[in-house]
Amino acid sequence: QVQLVESGGGLVKPGGSLRLSCAASGFTFSDYYMSWIRQAPGKGLEWVSYISSSGSTIYYADSVKGRFTISRDNAKNSLYLQMNSLRAEDTAVYYCAGDVRGVFSYWGQGTLVTVSS
Amino acid sequence: QLVLTQSPSASASLGASVKLTCTLSSGHSSYAIAWHQQQPEKGPRYLMKLNSDGSHSKGDGIPDRFSGSSSGAERYLTISSLQSEDEADYYCQTWGTGIQGWVFGGGTKLTVL
Repeated sequence: QVQLVESGGGLVKPGGSLRLSCAASGFTFSDYYMSWIRQAPGKGLEWVSYISSSGSTIYYADSVKGRFTISRDNAKNSLYLQMNSLRAEDTAVYYCAGDVRGVFSYWGQGTLVTVSS
Repeated sequence: QLVLTQSPSASASLGASVKLTCTLSSGHSSYAIAWHQQQPEKGPRYLMKLNSDGSHSKGDGIPDRFSGSSSGAERYLTISSLQSEDEADYYCQTWGTGIQGWVFGGGTKLTVL
């Protein structure tokens, strides 16, 4: 069955960096658009970044533009999010999601990123 | 601007039905949306895609108790024969062009009494 497993979260100081990974299985990863979505503690869902199936098209939310970089390795069935210049407001659970024509049809279980000194 | 509006909370009794609403912003009434369920301490789960004409397609394994409908700019999720495990947050989601990005409603917290 479809599985998305995020990893790489943790505690990091403001201004620091972290790289999240998402391992995909159970579907043809290279056929799917992918996104990162986050959820701050006690808050709703916020889309963060999108990457097309080939990696040629990328979008970011304004809140992370210039600080975060999304990438993928279709040979390894993996999605990544490089997060630099982290701020307290980036504290959230980060989910990877598979996008089928705009709909987030597959979700991971999330990985927690805490930005605090 | 593409915005989705949801009521923060809803409640209904065990075994009853409830209808949750998601409203699209002005000028976007033709947009399709998706509904997602997030049970406590879990990741979201895709429920269905809902078109402006009310047609919908559900995710794998979603019970028939979950259905969708549309009227103008409003998109509805109806859950019938409520069960305790339906107590969760429900989010609607839509998408625009790449620049508009992907948008979530604020979520509705459903309490099953």
